[in-house]
Amino acid sequence: QKEVEQNSGPLSVPEGAIASLNCTYSDRGSQSFFWYRQYSGKSPELIMSIYSNGDKEDGRFTAQLNKASQYVSLLIRDSQPSDSATYLCAVSASGGSYIPTFGRGTSLIVHP
Amino acid sequence: DGGITQSPKYLFRKEGQNVTLSCEQNLNHDAMYWYRQDPGQGLRLIYYSQIVNDFQKGDIAEGYSVSREKKESFPLTVTSAQKNPTAFYLCASTTYNEQFFGPGTRLTVL
Repeated sequence: QKEVEQNSGPLSVPEGAIASLNCTYSDRGSQSFFWYRQYSGKSPELIMSIYSNGDKEDGRFTAQLNKASQYVSLLIRDSQPSDSATYLCAVSASGGSYIPTFGRGTSLIVHP
Repeated sequence: DGGITQSPKYLFRKEGQNVTLSCEQNLNHDAMYWYRQDPGQGLRLIYYSQIVNDFQKGDIAEGYSVSREKKESFPLTVTSAQKNPTAFYLCASTTYNEQFFGPGTRLTVL
């Protein structure tokens, strides 16, 4: 059974700090990795995709992937109260049917 | 303006009733999905469809049915056989391995 594990949190950080969200996965065949942001009562919004080892930066967000350790993380620099949300990690294998496996999400609270 | 629409936003069902949730997309995506989300839980896959007139069961298909007669549309019926249907239902579609979600339908059983 493919599993994606995230700490449920909440992770509480002060405004302006770096928030670090982590995700581990069980399927070594995984090739595609995604981070979604979900505000309370809303649907998930795709914020980052990463496919190869290393870092990928987009604005204040950096995704980090280490396939050998089966670990993917999301860093949010200069955290803002508007970043307060649940962050879902999703993982999928390459080819065939695209059926991602989602983690349960980590709740992030950015306090002023 | 491209996107995924779901209707209604809120839906109330009486015991024993079937209800249908609408999902439409104008993104020209081939694959569409239905997920269920319960409080504190991850997304659980109900059904998915990769092409018109074809669909597969996900992890929790019992008590649900779908159809895919048009590329743009993937309605989900919650039948009376689904014993605990109160949840947030999310429709999604995929292109180039990236999955995008509609705004969701919140279903409550009275």
